[in-house]
Amino acid sequence: QQQVKQSPQSLIVQKGGISIINCAYENTAFDYFPWYQQFPGKGPALLIAIRPDVSEKKEGRFTISFNKSAKQFSLHIMDSQPGDSATYFCAASIFQKLVFGTGTRLLVSP
Amino acid sequence: DTAVSQTPKYLVTQMGNDKSIKCEQNLGHDTMYWYKQDSKKFLKIMFSYNNKELIINETVPNRFSPKSPDKAHLNLHINSLELGDSAVYFCASSLRLEGDEKLFFGSGTQLSVL
Repeated sequence: QQQVKQSPQSLIVQKGGISIINCAYENTAFDYFPWYQQFPGKGPALLIAIRPDVSEKKEGRFTISFNKSAKQFSLHIMDSQPGDSATYFCAASIFQKLVFGTGTRLLVSP
Repeated sequence: DTAVSQTPKYLVTQMGNDKSIKCEQNLGHDTMYWYKQDSKKFLKIMFSYNNKELIINETVPNRFSPKSPDKAHLNLHINSLELGDSAVYFCASSLRLEGDEKLFFGSGTQLSVL
C-alpha cells in the first residue's frame, strides 16, 4: 500500500517534444507529491510538487497533473531539451516519509 | 558553500569490514535522512532524524547504525559489510515550508563491497 508505481522505465523524446511520465499510488493517506530530477553522479533535486487538493501545477516548462479519484499523477515536460536528459522520480509523502517511484530515465535527442 | 555534503564520495572495501559515511548540512534544517539507492536506481529511506532524535527507522539490518551528534550532522556506520550493501547512499536534509517537506540531497557515497 505504500508503493508508488512509475512508468515508463525509460523514455526517448525528440528535442522540442513533450515528455510524459506517469505515477500511480494506492494509499489515500499520501498528502504531498513531489517530483525529483537526478543527473548522473548527483543526488536527486526537487523539481516541482503538488498537494492532492490541486489538479494541476505549472512551473515553467514543467507541469504536474493530479487525478485524485484515479490516484494518479503525471509530469509533463514541454519543449523538452537535451539538458532535461536525466532520471525522474515521482514520490509520495506520508508522515514526513517520502516513498519514491522506480524512476524514469529520460533521453532527449538533439 | 555546499548545502548537504557527504564523505567519502567513493568507498571500496572488503566484506566483513566496518565503515562510516559522514554527512553535514549547513542549511539549518532540523531533519536529516539516509537513503539507499540500489543498482536499479530504486531509492529507499533508511533513517530519519529530527533534532538528533531518531524518528524513522525502516527495516534496516542492525549492522547499520546512524549517529547524530548535532542537528547539522548525521553519520552512518556500517558493521560487517556484505556484498548486498553495495549501493549509493544519500544523505538528505529537509525543510518544512507551508506544510510541504522539501528534501535536499547530498551527492551520494558509492559503496562497493568486494
